[in-house]
Order: sequence, then C-alpha cells, then structure tokens
Amino acid sequence: GDSVTQMEGPVTLSEEAFLTINCTYTATGYPSLFWYVQYPGEGLQLLLKATKADDKGSNKGFEATYRKETTSFHLEKGSVQVSDSAVYFCALSASNTNAGKSTFGDGTTLTVKP
Amino acid sequence: DTGVSQDPRHKITKRGQNVTFRCDPISEHNRLYWYRQTLGQGPEFLTYFQNEAQLEKSRLLSDRFSAERPKGSFSTLEIQRTEQGDSAMYLCASSLARSGTGISYEQYFGPGTRLTVT
Repeated sequence: GDSVTQMEGPVTLSEEAFLTINCTYTATGYPSLFWYVQYPGEGLQLLLKATKADDKGSNKGFEATYRKETTSFHLEKGSVQVSDSAVYFCALSASNTNAGKSTFGDGTTLTVKP
Repeated sequence: DTGVSQDPRHKITKRGQNVTFRCDPISEHNRLYWYRQTLGQGPEFLTYFQNEAQLEKSRLLSDRFSAERPKGSFSTLEIQRTEQGDSAMYLCASSLARSGTGISYEQYFGPGTRLTVT
C-alpha cells in the first residue's frame, strides 16, 4: 500500500540555519504530495503542496519539489526562525482512487534555538 | 470561514464507557474525514464522507467505532466499550470535492479531540 517515510527527528537548529527534512514515498500512479505543520497545541495546517512531477510547492519561505524519479519531496528552508519550531508531516494523496484521503509520515520535530 | 471545529477538545473516560465526538467542517465543504493520531506517529485514516454518505472505512475502524454525518454537515464519531488502546488524538478534516472531478486533495484539519482511556 501507500506509505511515506520521513527522516527521523528531532532536528535542532540555530536561527538562520538551513533546513532540510527528507521525505520519500511509495505509491501507485501519480499522487499529490503535501507538507503539513503542527504548532504546539494546534491542529495540522497545510504548508505547501505539489500535484505533479517537477512541481515546486512553496509557502512562508519553505519549498519542496516533487521528484518522481527519486520518489521524494524534501522540505527546505534557507533560514529558519524560532517561530518555525513545530512538527512537520509529509503526506500523499493517491490519485488512483477518488477518496482524497491522505497517508502521512510519522512527523519530524523541529526546534530552532535563538 | 471559521475553520473546522471539534468538540470536546479533551475527553477522559474509563475503560468500557462509550464516548462521542463531534466535528463541524468548513460550511461549504462536502467531504469530511476522520483520522486517528497516536504519540510520535502521523495521522491514520479512519473513514470519510461525501455529503451524508460514508464512502470508505479503514480496517482500523473496528466494530466498536461508528461515524455518522446525518445531514451532510457535522459529523459524530462514537466509540463503544472504550479500551486503553483507543487513547489517541482524533482528528477531523474537511475538503471540497469539485463536481466533474470528484478528487479533492487539500484538507483542512480541526484541532482534534484528545481521548484518554483509564
């Protein structure tokens, strides 16, 4: 079945450091790919998405490129801030069904220190 | 747009009791999803509705779980005879499936209901 694998955390960075969180997936067909963020005490928020190969999703300085050849969707940010501290989830939504449900990775906790 | 709301936010119950959670989706959204999230893991799909019809249920959803969306608006998730293994965060999400495609990918999540079974 479909699956998403994220790099294990937690990740601790200093402010203004470069961030990469790796995500790879297994799915049939051409899924849509997402990054969600969960701040402490809050629900999941969609951070960015890409719906086809080579698409780049971007939002709030974060970027991720849909790489079908490597089945990856790595999240990057050039300069992190303390306010980026949160749990980040990679997810996919399979295209071979009409359900629109998502399959999530286990999340990566990011802590940014001043 | 007031977002997806869930009630209650926290529920503590004793093993064997029944519990019911409510989800109010974004008003114009026709799809509603339930997920379960345990500590250190990502959300796992439980079931989803399009309008009032329940179209898919995960194998994770045992016979003790039932979900309804009677008028195609809010939804309830009931767990009967709760077990300690049911302790988790229960997440609701909604989305808009546009006519002609049926497929909607962008889901909006509520804050979740944290269930603790003692």
